[in-house]
Amino acid sequence: GQQVMQIPQYQHVQEGEDFTTYCNSSTTLSNIQWYKQRPGGHPVFLIQLVKSGEVKKQKRLTFQFGEAKKNSSLHITATQTTDVGTYFCAGPRSNYQLIWGAGTKLIIKP
Amino acid sequence: DAGITQSPRHKVTETGTPVTLRCHQTENHRYMYWYRQDPGHGLRLIHYSYGVKDTDKGEVSDGYSVSRSKTEDFLLTLESATSSQTSVYFCAISESGAGRSPLHFGNGTRLTVT
Repeated sequence: GQQVMQIPQYQHVQEGEDFTTYCNSSTTLSNIQWYKQRPGGHPVFLIQLVKSGEVKKQKRLTFQFGEAKKNSSLHITATQTTDVGTYFCAGPRSNYQLIWGAGTKLIIKP
Repeated sequence: DAGITQSPRHKVTETGTPVTLRCHQTENHRYMYWYRQDPGHGLRLIHYSYGVKDTDKGEVSDGYSVSRSKTEDFLLTLESATSSQTSVYFCAISESGAGRSPLHFGNGTRLTVT
């Protein structure tokens, strides 16, 4: 069946280092969505990518959608403590449902 | 944040008792969702609604029922709670369906079944 794999599961970084999470789908996606969940919080929508090869930036966050629309990445430059949380990718299973990646937990080392 | 209110925020209940969780939205979105989140399992869809009185099952619907009698309210009922239903439950809404437009989540309900 359709799968969305997200790696790594965890990433420990020093504050100021970069962070990247990768998302790979077993099928071509019409779009991909990214969410952030702070510890103890709820998922918050970050961005939706639609076009093949699309690159979007939000301040220190860079989102990419692969040419084949089967993979995506989120890169954070110079992490800050406010970036801590779990980042999820999700792609459509249908018009009404998403299939979620397992998430990548960003941990800032003291 | 989108106008989504979940109640209660926390609930402790005993095995075998019925439990109803409520989701209320003020955005007039057509689509509403119930997810559960457990360590090691990410977000799993329980049920969703695509309009008043129109609902469908998600991937983990056993033991749960839902109702939507008004656009703004989506209820999740555990008919007879079990310990395996201890979880954090999130309601979410979408304007055009989760596959097409973003989900906006409520703050969640932490349910403990003893």
